[in-house]
Amino acid sequence: DTGVSQNPRHKITKRGQNVTFRCDPISEHNRLYWYRQTLGQGPEFLTYFQNEAQLEKSRLLSDRFSAERPKGSFSTLEIQRTEQGDSAMYLCASNRTQGGEKLFFGSGTQLSVL
Amino acid sequence: AQKVTQAQTEISVVEKEDVTLDCVYETRDTTYYLFWYKQPPSGELVFLIRRNSFDEQNEISGRYSWNFQKSTSSFNFTITASQVVDSAVYFCALTLSYGQNFVFGPGTRLSVLP
Repeated sequence: DTGVSQNPRHKITKRGQNVTFRCDPISEHNRLYWYRQTLGQGPEFLTYFQNEAQLEKSRLLSDRFSAERPKGSFSTLEIQRTEQGDSAMYLCASNRTQGGEKLFFGSGTQLSVL
Repeated sequence: AQKVTQAQTEISVVEKEDVTLDCVYETRDTTYYLFWYKQPPSGELVFLIRRNSFDEQNEISGRYSWNFQKSTSSFNFTITASQVVDSAVYFCALTLSYGQNFVFGPGTRLSVLP
């Protein structure tokens, strides 16, 4: 188990720029999740994939956000035309296809929009 | 819809004191899973325990214990003889057996002072 890997760890960008984050889940995990966490809050669900299929998206995920998992392995989360309100920690997690299976989290990508 | 409440925003204790972190959940489903995660200052969420809705037995793991009571929809976490290394934010979370959206509470920040 190499764990869930996220890159970059930190990203500073100017408002209006596009950013992309990458997540590499644990290799045998076919489910992959994106969460967003702001200071003093719990993780908020954004979206999740089973293999390459995006099965659920939160209402939090505006049309400026897009996530992909093209080959059912790594995933990318892109934010277009970033806004200051997008500043947060973006967390990736993975688990196996089994009801109630625990999530394994990455260290997150901290986004700061100036 | 599911909801998790952690009424205690912050708790401070002196080392060696016992401390209980409260978690109250809401769901209409009869089959669900409850979790506790720890988020130390490094930021990565660490799994502590999982409980399914059919198993109300309390669990003890070293200095940690969990009290699950369906009658009050609570899943409380007690740390006995707290240590400075226990200082972290603790999250309670809920997921259904068929849905994959994990709902997290807002977290309780625990500070253990030497």
